[in-house]
Amino acid sequence: EIVLTQSPGTLSLSPGERVTLSCRASQSVTSNYLAWFQQKPGQVPRLLIYGASSRATGIPDRFSGSGSGTDFTLTISRLEPEDFAVYYCQQYGSSPLTFGGGTKVEIK
Amino acid sequence: EVQLVQSGGGLVKSGGSLRLSCTDSGLTFSKSWMSWVRQAPGKGLEWVGRLKSKPDGGTTDYAAPVKGRFTISRDDSISTVYLQMNSLKAEDTGIYYCTTERSCGGGSCSAYWGQGTLVTVSS
Repeated sequence: EIVLTQSPGTLSLSPGERVTLSCRASQSVTSNYLAWFQQKPGQVPRLLIYGASSRATGIPDRFSGSGSGTDFTLTISRLEPEDFAVYYCQQYGSSPLTFGGGTKVEIK
Repeated sequence: EVQLVQSGGGLVKSGGSLRLSCTDSGLTFSKSWMSWVRQAPGKGLEWVGRLKSKPDGGTTDYAAPVKGRFTISRDDSISTVYLQMNSLKAEDTGIYYCTTERSCGGGSCSAYWGQGTLVTVSS
């Protein structure tokens, strides 16, 4: 089983700041099948990024993903008020699929 | 656009059973891979399992904590996927989401999510 470790656990930031979230895998993710999800309080998770760097339909271009192998990054170029949420990475390249523990981005 | 409507959650005693349902309003359900993800209260997301489409073999995969207790099945005639949960434990408590997978850069990932349904297992 691939274990995904997300860091940091919590980030306290202000609107307009740049955010970089990390997701590290215990072994190489097959074909970089790595997705990022956003979940706001009381809401359903939403797919942001798949294939490590491709934006899902309707996702603003301030969200970008990068990385390969075992190290992946989600970047939000300029935080908007609606971006304060919890972000999860997930690998879908090998079974069992696994999620990281999440990074909470909160308002400073 | 795909819309997933879930039903079937509730309160059940430890050792009991529950069946969750999820109906997909999309036009391509029979070709879709379906998965279930759960979230314990105040915790992160946990993948439960997946059911491939019949054209792709119709096979299932499960996470270790639920293997042998949970079963995912589908009825393509009514665009519905099920999660049968047996021998429930307190640690199975949480919100259960069904998801429709789509091609994600060659692999298959959870592109559409149901509204979630709460399962509470009392000890």
